[in-house]
Formats: sequence, structure tokens, C-alpha cells
Amino acid sequence: DSGVTQTPKHLITATGQRVTLRCSPRSGDLSVYWYQQSLDQGLQFLIQYYNGEERAKGNILERFSAQQFPDLHSELNLSSLELGDSALYFCASSVVGATNEKLFFGSGTQLSVL
Amino acid sequence: EDKVVQSPLSLVVHEGDTVTLNCSYEVTNFRSLLWYKQEKKAPTFLFMLTSSGIEKKSGRLSSILDKKELFSILNITATQTGDSAIYLCAVALYAGNMLTFGGGTRLMVKP
Repeated sequence: DSGVTQTPKHLITATGQRVTLRCSPRSGDLSVYWYQQSLDQGLQFLIQYYNGEERAKGNILERFSAQQFPDLHSELNLSSLELGDSALYFCASSVVGATNEKLFFGSGTQLSVL
Repeated sequence: EDKVVQSPLSLVVHEGDTVTLNCSYEVTNFRSLLWYKQEKKAPTFLFMLTSSGIEKKSGRLSSILDKKELFSILNITATQTGDSAIYLCAVALYAGNMLTFGGGTRLMVKP
């Protein structure tokens, strides 16, 4: 168990809908990362937060947004969902998000858009 | 564009075999290379390599980095069925701590 908690584990929804994925980082970790894993794209970095502030952005669509709250948990909001958004969404955390820190991954949220 | 390529895509071996997984990269501002094992869901950390030519070992697993030729290998000796997983290679750049992942190698170890 990595200590990173993600909920829900599975989510099934319809196209056009909006969902929120939740992540609680390991105790003491200030930095949270969101990744998307699909069969054809592998693990893609979406966005990183550090202590409530956005630190880095990757291939995140405009329909997606995230935030990190004062208690350090993070939420990833996906809106106007499309079939292609079906994927496994991972949250990872590290202490401060400095270079060469290990990332610890949660078990992911499997999103199916029908 | 930063790129990390793993080979082979998948591999089926029998228990006791030795396997070598490959990872090559083309990135700017390389800082380190990491290997993760993904069994059911969460990738779990195996190794971080920053210096060329220095082998990292953990039990039956070992890994080495060649910064001149831009690749790394992960070796698993005396494979066991519990080694069945997807092995992910990722590169960390000098700025920031987000990782660029390769597509993974799916290893299946048959009894």
C-alpha cells in the first residue's frame, strides 16, 4: 500500500457528463500529480500541484481541471466527457515535488465513458 | 518532443528464465531514469538511476543506465510467476519532478 488513496475505484458514466476524481496524498506529502493511462497512450502526465498551487501542466485538456485543497487532498474534474476519456486515472504524491523525488502512486480510478 | 521507448512490448517466459527489458530515451535536460512495476493497478517504484554505468540491484532485479547511448536495461534473473507485471520506464527532467513514461513491457512468467 503506497499510502495514496484514490476514490472512487470505478466510475461509469455517459458522454457529456461531468465527474470528479479524488486523491488523498501520503501523509506529509505536499505535491500531487495526476496521470492518465490509456491502452494506446500509456501513462501521460496531466498536472502537478504543490501545497495548493499549480506547479506544472502536461497534456491536460481544457475540459479537465484540478485543484489542491488546504488539507492537501486533490480533485480532478473531467467535464463534457467523451468516449476517448475512458482510461485509468492515477494520482501520485511526493514530499515537495523536487527533482529526483520518488513518486508514490495510488491504485487509480477506472473511468468508463459509455 | 521528449520520448521514452520500451521494448519488447510483451514477453512470455517460464519460471527460472532470465529476462532483459529495454528502455531508450530522447529527452532534453535528462536528470534521472526510473523503473516501476505495475501489477494490478498502482505502479510501484523499483529503481532510480542517475549515473552512467552504476548498477542498481534489488534481489533478483538489477538495472543499469548508459547516458552516452541513452538507454537503460532492467534484468530479472530466476523469474517467478510473481514477476508477471507491466514494467514501466520513466524519465525525470532537470526541471520539475513530473515523469515521462514509456509504453511499458508486459511480462508474463509461466510456471
